[in-house]
Amino acid sequence: GQNIDQPTEMTATEGAIVQINCTYQTSGFNGLFWYQQHAGEAPTFLSYNVLDGLEEKGRFSSFLSRSKGYSYLLLKELQMKDSASYLCAVSGNTPLVFGKGTRLSVIA
Amino acid sequence: DTGVSQNPRHKITKRGQNVTFRCDPISEHNRLYWYRQTLGQGPEFLTYFQNEAQLEKSRLLSDRFSAERPKGSFSTLEIQRTEQGDSAMYLCASSLEATGGGNTQYFGPGTRLTVL
Repeated sequence: GQNIDQPTEMTATEGAIVQINCTYQTSGFNGLFWYQQHAGEAPTFLSYNVLDGLEEKGRFSSFLSRSKGYSYLLLKELQMKDSASYLCAVSGNTPLVFGKGTRLSVIA
Repeated sequence: DTGVSQNPRHKITKRGQNVTFRCDPISEHNRLYWYRQTLGQGPEFLTYFQNEAQLEKSRLLSDRFSAERPKGSFSTLEIQRTEQGDSAMYLCASSLEATGGGNTQYFGPGTRLTVL
């Protein structure tokens, strides 16, 4: 079967660092994606990992361990506008399988 | 390029009616995908096309759902005899096929369907 797990909700303080974890079990693996989705809007692409290790892109970094079926998204210097849902998705035999998303609330 | 567009943005219909949604992908993208998203859930894959060929349709939710991409450009998703359980956001995405997979999908704004 296919299963992607991530925490339902997280809260963090403006200016802080937050790590959102994702574990997965899927049929086939062609890469792992993170998307950001603000309420009522479409998902927007944040990052893609296909090899083990850390990919850094500005305030956002994403890590992958294929042997552990594990990824995390790291958000630094949190801003209020980062309050959104963060979706972990795996590309495999199915083009994209999404987790339920982690709703992040950034507080002052 | 203005990105993926979807029409209409909102649709309210009565149970039993048929509805059709349109998606226009990013112009150079050869793959087009349809998803359904309900509140508190991630997008759920429905079907996808490479050019005009529908490569996967077993995930369509029932035989009331069908999709076409007749000329390999825009696509339509039709739901026949709508039910209240069909109320959801229907998302379209497109990508450019790359060797080895990992095609990044770019999403449209979605069509929100409400079935009364």
